[in-house]
Amino acid sequence: DAKTTQPPSMDCAEGRAANLPCNHSTISGNEYVYWYRQIHSQGPQYIIHGLKNNETNEMASLIITEDRKSSTLILPHATLRDTAVYYCIVRTGANNLFFGTGTRLTVIP
Amino acid sequence: EAQVTQNPRYLITVTGKKLTVTCSQNMNHEYMSWYRQDPGLGLRQIYYSMNVEVTDKGDVPEGYKVSRKEKRNFPLILESPSPNQTSLYFCASSTWVAGGEQYFGPGTRLTVT
Repeated sequence: DAKTTQPPSMDCAEGRAANLPCNHSTISGNEYVYWYRQIHSQGPQYIIHGLKNNETNEMASLIITEDRKSSTLILPHATLRDTAVYYCIVRTGANNLFFGTGTRLTVIP
Repeated sequence: EAQVTQNPRYLITVTGKKLTVTCSQNMNHEYMSWYRQDPGLGLRQIYYSMNVEVTDKGDVPEGYKVSRKEKRNFPLILESPSPNQTSLYFCASSTWVAGGEQYFGPGTRLTVT
Protein backbone atom coordinates (compact mmCIF):
# COMPACT_ATOMS: atom_id res chain seq x y z
CA ASP A 1 0.00 0.00 0.00
CA ALA A 2 1.13 3.56 -0.67
CA LYS A 3 2.40 5.45 2.35
CA THR A 4 0.77 8.60 3.58
CA THR A 5 2.05 11.77 5.22
CA GLN A 6 0.00 13.68 7.76
CA PRO A 7 0.82 16.57 10.09
CA PRO A 8 1.37 15.26 13.61
CA SER A 9 -1.09 17.62 15.25
CA MET A 10 -3.72 20.27 14.58
CA ASP A 11 -6.05 22.44 16.60
CA CYS A 12 -9.53 23.52 15.64
CA ALA A 13 -12.02 25.80 17.38
CA GLU A 14 -15.27 24.19 18.40
CA GLY A 15 -17.99 24.78 15.82
CA ARG A 16 -15.54 25.50 13.04
CA ALA A 17 -14.65 23.21 10.19
CA ALA A 18 -11.65 20.96 10.74
CA ASN A 19 -9.64 20.32 7.60
CA LEU A 20 -7.17 17.47 7.93
CA PRO A 21 -4.70 17.07 5.04
CA CYS A 22 -3.03 13.93 3.80
CA ASN A 23 -0.38 13.45 1.16
CA HIS A 24 -0.21 10.18 -0.76
CA SER A 25 1.95 11.05 -3.75
CA THR A 26 2.73 7.42 -4.65
CA ILE A 27 -0.88 6.27 -4.77
CA SER A 28 -1.79 3.90 -7.58
CA GLY A 29 -4.86 4.10 -9.77
CA ASN A 30 -6.73 1.31 -7.96
CA GLU A 31 -5.92 2.37 -4.40
CA TYR A 32 -8.62 3.80 -2.20
CA VAL A 33 -8.14 6.47 0.45
CA TYR A 34 -9.63 5.60 3.83
CA TRP A 35 -9.96 7.69 6.95
CA TYR A 36 -10.28 6.35 10.46
CA ARG A 37 -10.12 8.01 13.83
CA GLN A 38 -9.18 6.79 17.27
CA ILE A 39 -10.54 8.50 20.34
CA HIS A 40 -8.14 8.13 23.23
CA SER A 41 -7.26 4.40 23.30
CA GLN A 42 -10.54 3.11 21.96
CA GLY A 43 -10.75 0.96 18.85
CA PRO A 44 -10.32 2.88 15.59
CA GLN A 45 -13.54 3.99 13.94
CA TYR A 46 -14.12 4.05 10.20
CA ILE A 47 -15.10 7.50 8.89
CA ILE A 48 -15.15 7.57 5.10
CA HIS A 49 -13.36 6.40 1.98
CA GLY A 50 -13.05 7.33 -1.69
CA LEU A 51 -11.27 6.54 -4.93
CA LYS A 52 -11.50 9.55 -7.22
CA ASN A 53 -14.63 11.50 -6.50
CA ASN A 54 -15.36 13.57 -3.44
CA GLU A 55 -17.44 11.77 -0.88
CA THR A 56 -19.72 12.89 1.93
CA ASN A 57 -21.50 11.04 4.69
CA GLU A 58 -23.06 11.93 8.00
CA MET A 59 -19.69 12.23 9.69
CA ALA A 60 -17.44 13.99 7.22
CA SER A 61 -16.50 14.93 3.68
CA LEU A 62 -13.52 13.66 1.75
CA ILE A 63 -11.95 15.81 -0.93
CA ILE A 64 -9.46 14.08 -3.23
CA THR A 65 -7.38 16.16 -5.62
CA GLU A 66 -7.66 15.49 -9.32
CA ASP A 67 -4.18 13.94 -9.49
CA ARG A 68 -5.09 11.89 -6.38
CA LYS A 69 -1.80 12.73 -4.71
CA SER A 70 -3.47 14.31 -1.72
CA SER A 71 -6.77 14.46 0.10
CA THR A 72 -8.49 16.42 2.84
CA LEU A 73 -10.91 15.17 5.45
CA ILE A 74 -13.40 17.81 6.48
CA LEU A 75 -15.37 17.73 9.71
CA PRO A 76 -17.86 20.51 9.00
CA HIS A 77 -18.66 21.57 12.56
CA ALA A 78 -16.09 20.19 14.97
CA THR A 79 -17.20 19.36 18.50
CA LEU A 80 -15.16 18.46 21.56
CA ARG A 81 -16.03 14.82 20.92
CA ASP A 82 -14.13 14.99 17.63
CA THR A 83 -10.85 15.30 19.52
CA ALA A 84 -8.98 12.20 18.36
CA VAL A 85 -6.13 10.87 16.25
CA TYR A 86 -7.12 10.76 12.58
CA TYR A 87 -5.52 8.24 10.26
CA CYS A 88 -5.32 8.52 6.50
CA ILE A 89 -4.82 5.12 4.88
CA VAL A 90 -4.26 4.12 1.27
CA ARG A 91 -5.40 0.63 0.51
CA THR A 92 -5.45 -1.76 -2.43
CA GLY A 93 -7.53 -4.92 -2.40
CA ALA A 94 -5.84 -6.37 0.65
CA ASN A 95 -7.57 -6.02 3.96
CA ASN A 96 -4.48 -5.09 5.93
CA LEU A 97 -4.84 -1.44 6.83
CA PHE A 98 -1.53 0.34 7.34
CA PHE A 99 -2.05 2.82 10.15
CA GLY A 100 0.70 5.42 10.35
CA THR A 101 0.97 7.81 13.26
CA GLY A 102 -1.91 10.01 12.10
CA THR A 103 -2.87 13.57 13.04
CA ARG A 104 -3.83 14.38 16.58
CA LEU A 105 -6.77 16.81 16.30
CA THR A 106 -7.60 18.85 19.36
CA VAL A 107 -10.89 20.71 19.31
CA ILE A 108 -10.67 23.77 21.52
CA PRO A 109 -13.72 25.19 23.32
CA GLU B 1 -26.21 -4.06 18.05
CA ALA B 2 -23.40 -4.78 15.60
CA GLN B 3 -20.20 -5.13 17.54
CA VAL B 4 -16.83 -6.73 18.05
CA THR B 5 -16.14 -7.84 21.59
CA GLN B 6 -12.83 -8.70 23.21
CA ASN B 7 -12.04 -10.34 26.50
CA PRO B 8 -10.38 -9.62 28.77
CA ARG B 9 -10.12 -5.87 28.45
CA TYR B 10 -7.16 -5.70 30.80
CA LEU B 11 -4.67 -8.41 31.68
CA ILE B 12 -1.48 -8.47 33.71
CA THR B 13 0.46 -11.69 33.49
CA VAL B 14 3.94 -13.10 33.93
CA THR B 15 6.47 -14.21 31.38
CA GLY B 16 5.81 -17.66 29.99
CA LYS B 17 2.25 -18.14 31.21
CA LYS B 18 0.06 -19.05 28.25
CA LEU B 19 -2.91 -16.81 27.63
CA THR B 20 -5.74 -16.36 25.17
CA VAL B 21 -7.50 -13.15 24.21
CA THR B 22 -10.91 -13.82 22.74
CA CYS B 23 -12.56 -11.90 19.92
CA SER B 24 -16.11 -12.31 18.73
CA GLN B 25 -18.23 -10.48 16.15
CA ASN B 26 -21.97 -10.69 15.54
CA MET B 27 -22.06 -9.34 11.98
CA ASN B 28 -21.36 -12.57 10.07
CA HIS B 29 -18.15 -11.05 8.72
CA GLU B 30 -15.78 -13.24 6.76
CA TYR B 31 -12.65 -11.26 7.52
CA MET B 32 -11.13 -10.88 10.97
CA SER B 33 -7.80 -9.52 12.07
CA TRP B 34 -5.62 -8.78 15.07
CA TYR B 35 -3.55 -5.63 15.50
CA ARG B 36 -1.23 -4.43 18.20
CA GLN B 37 -0.64 -0.78 18.99
CA ASP B 38 2.54 0.53 20.54
CA PRO B 39 3.54 4.15 21.19
CA GLY B 40 5.13 5.74 18.13
CA LEU B 41 4.52 2.68 15.95
CA GLY B 42 0.84 2.95 15.15
CA LEU B 43 -1.23 -0.20 14.63
CA ARG B 44 0.48 -3.23 13.18
CA GLN B 45 -1.27 -6.33 11.94
CA ILE B 46 -0.45 -9.60 13.68
CA TYR B 47 -2.63 -12.19 11.95
CA TYR B 48 -5.70 -12.18 9.80
CA SER B 49 -8.33 -14.65 8.64
CA MET B 50 -10.32 -14.48 5.44
CA ASN B 51 -12.80 -17.13 6.54
CA VAL B 52 -13.21 -20.23 8.69
CA GLU B 53 -10.04 -22.32 8.78
CA VAL B 54 -8.18 -19.74 6.66
CA THR B 55 -5.56 -17.70 8.50
CA ASP B 56 -2.37 -15.94 7.51
CA LYS B 57 0.44 -13.93 9.01
CA GLY B 58 0.40 -10.18 9.14
CA ASP B 59 3.36 -7.90 9.69
CA VAL B 60 4.34 -8.96 13.24
CA PRO B 61 3.24 -12.60 13.80
CA GLU B 62 6.18 -13.82 15.90
CA GLY B 63 5.12 -15.11 19.29
CA TYR B 64 1.42 -15.34 18.44
CA LYS B 65 -1.00 -17.99 17.23
CA VAL B 66 -4.58 -17.77 16.05
CA SER B 67 -7.37 -20.10 15.08
CA ARG B 68 -10.64 -19.67 13.23
CA LYS B 69 -12.88 -22.64 13.91
CA GLU B 70 -16.09 -20.63 13.82
CA LYS B 71 -16.94 -17.62 11.73
CA ARG B 72 -17.72 -15.38 14.68
CA ASN B 73 -14.64 -16.10 16.81
CA PHE B 74 -10.96 -15.37 16.28
CA PRO B 75 -8.91 -15.93 19.44
CA LEU B 76 -5.34 -14.68 19.80
CA ILE B 77 -3.04 -17.05 21.65
CA LEU B 78 0.24 -16.20 23.31
CA GLU B 79 1.89 -19.53 24.09
CA SER B 80 4.78 -18.05 26.06
CA PRO B 81 4.29 -14.33 26.57
CA SER B 82 7.31 -12.08 26.93
CA PRO B 83 7.60 -8.46 28.11
CA ASN B 84 7.97 -7.21 24.51
CA GLN B 85 4.39 -8.36 23.92
CA THR B 86 3.14 -5.78 26.38
CA SER B 87 0.83 -3.76 24.17
CA LEU B 88 -2.70 -2.67 23.34
CA TYR B 89 -4.41 -5.27 21.14
CA PHE B 90 -7.33 -4.75 18.81
CA CYS B 91 -9.47 -7.23 16.96
CA ALA B 92 -11.26 -6.12 13.79
CA SER B 93 -13.73 -7.59 11.34
CA SER B 94 -15.26 -6.76 8.00
CA THR B 95 -17.04 -8.29 5.08
CA TRP B 96 -14.70 -9.50 2.39
CA VAL B 97 -16.20 -7.10 -0.15
CA ALA B 98 -15.99 -4.02 2.08
CA GLY B 99 -12.65 -4.98 3.56
CA GLY B 100 -11.53 -1.44 4.17
CA GLU B 101 -14.50 -0.68 6.40
CA GLN B 102 -13.40 -2.57 9.44
CA TYR B 103 -15.14 -2.69 12.79
CA PHE B 104 -12.75 -2.65 15.71
CA GLY B 105 -13.17 -4.07 19.16
CA PRO B 106 -12.60 -1.99 22.30
CA GLY B 107 -9.07 -3.24 22.84
CA THR B 108 -7.22 -5.42 25.32
CA ARG B 109 -4.41 -3.89 27.30
CA LEU B 110 -1.87 -6.59 28.07
CA THR B 111 1.05 -6.23 30.44
CA VAL B 112 3.64 -9.01 30.66
CA THR B 113 6.03 -8.76 33.59
